[in-house]
Amino acid sequence: AQSVTQLDSQVPVFEEAPVELRCNYSSSVSVYLFWYVQYPNQGLQLLLKYLSGSTLVKGINGFEAEFNKSQTSFHLRKPSVHISDTAEYFCAVRDSGGSNYKLTFGKGTLLTVNP
Amino acid sequence: DTAVSQTPKYLVTQMGNDKSIKCEQNLGHDTMYWYKQDSKKFLKIMFSYNNKELIINETVPNRFSPKSPDKAHLNLHINSLELGDSAVYFCASSQAPTASGLFDEQFFGPGTRLTVL
Repeated sequence: AQSVTQLDSQVPVFEEAPVELRCNYSSSVSVYLFWYVQYPNQGLQLLLKYLSGSTLVKGINGFEAEFNKSQTSFHLRKPSVHISDTAEYFCAVRDSGGSNYKLTFGKGTLLTVNP
Repeated sequence: DTAVSQTPKYLVTQMGNDKSIKCEQNLGHDTMYWYKQDSKKFLKIMFSYNNKELIINETVPNRFSPKSPDKAHLNLHINSLELGDSAVYFCASSQAPTASGLFDEQFFGPGTRLTVL
């Protein structure tokens, strides 16, 4: 069974500061990894995903994430955040290959960007 | 045009009632999902249908019954509502999942906030 741990439930930062949201996963097989964002009172939206190839993945809104297989991590980063980045961020994992298509989500990290 | 829509947006009801939430997608996707997000924002898959066939059925009370009349619709019916059913329910859709993961982006609806009194 897979699991996802988002180590920080809340991350407050000031505008234009860099941010890193941490995600670790556990799985007995190879995985695909995703980051979704949920703005207040909205559904989730895909930020980026890692399937294979380069371990550094770039997504929308200036976010990027790095897959580290040895540390089973997929941390999300942005070099300079804006007020509009305030949202809940979810890391998710699914088995690669096979027929288990279920996405398992972490518990989310609330990013609050202050002026 | 809204890609994934849900109705109603808010639903307040008494314990013991039966209610339905409707979901429609106009993206031409083959696969649809229902998720439950609890008060701590934890998001958990409940069901998934691929081309009207149930492919994911998590451990959910049998008071919850999904119904997919066609590929574009996936409704959720809940019988005998309990206090613990209060949550935000999200519908999502995607292209049919494959082993390659290339088409795994799920598009989420705006959610239905269910409050059971």
